[in-house]
Amino acid sequence: AQKITQTQPGMFVQEKEAVTLDCTYDTSDPSYGLFWYKQPSSGEMIFLIYQGSYDQQNATEGRYSLNFQKARKSANLVISASQLGDSAMYFCAMREGPKRSEKLVFGKGTKLTVNP
Amino acid sequence: SAVISQKPSRDICQRGTSLTIQCQVDSQVTMMFWYRQQPGQSLTLIATANQGSEATYESGFVIDKFPISRPNLTFSTLTVSNMSPEDSSIYLCSVEAWQGKAGELFFGEGSRLTVL
Repeated sequence: AQKITQTQPGMFVQEKEAVTLDCTYDTSDPSYGLFWYKQPSSGEMIFLIYQGSYDQQNATEGRYSLNFQKARKSANLVISASQLGDSAMYFCAMREGPKRSEKLVFGKGTKLTVNP
Repeated sequence: SAVISQKPSRDICQRGTSLTIQCQVDSQVTMMFWYRQQPGQSLTLIATANQGSEATYESGFVIDKFPISRPNLTFSTLTVSNMSPEDSSIYLCSVEAWQGKAGELFFGEGSRLTVL
């Protein structure tokens, strides 16, 4: 079974509107971390936001927020006030377990296109 | 944070040849990770490179095909051996930097290989 599922291969949004990118995960470990990365067409991976499994509040970083629904095992990324520069691939990832040596497992990604 | 430099940024290679990718980090790190991103796909971990010990390979990846060196705490190389067109991918080096609670992965800009 896939550890990280991103069901939206592509999403479109109008500039200045908000958009939600879906991510569901599968783990039986009570300790885990969830990450979102952005990959522009240039190829680099840019860290956006992190949510720990024991965090009581949803993570926020500027225009990015993570809608963490633990019971549903979902960690959706919300981008507010979309900008043209937000057009990119977005990957959800998970680290299982508390150890720093545990690897990140990535979803297949969602391609976001922001229209002017 | 960490700044990661990868060389080459891109290359076109002939079938049957080998290519070594270099990864230089601006700070000392314990673990370095090598990922592969096949065209239109997500990131898959190849191996974890620890200084002073053999690299740990993920299922489906073997040392003969992807030998890794880790001579010190700021440098690593990944060799793609006896290349075939199926090896055409972006290869990304990454390191982990912990800021507070989040083990954020920093990535190099990737090495985009095309095998003819």
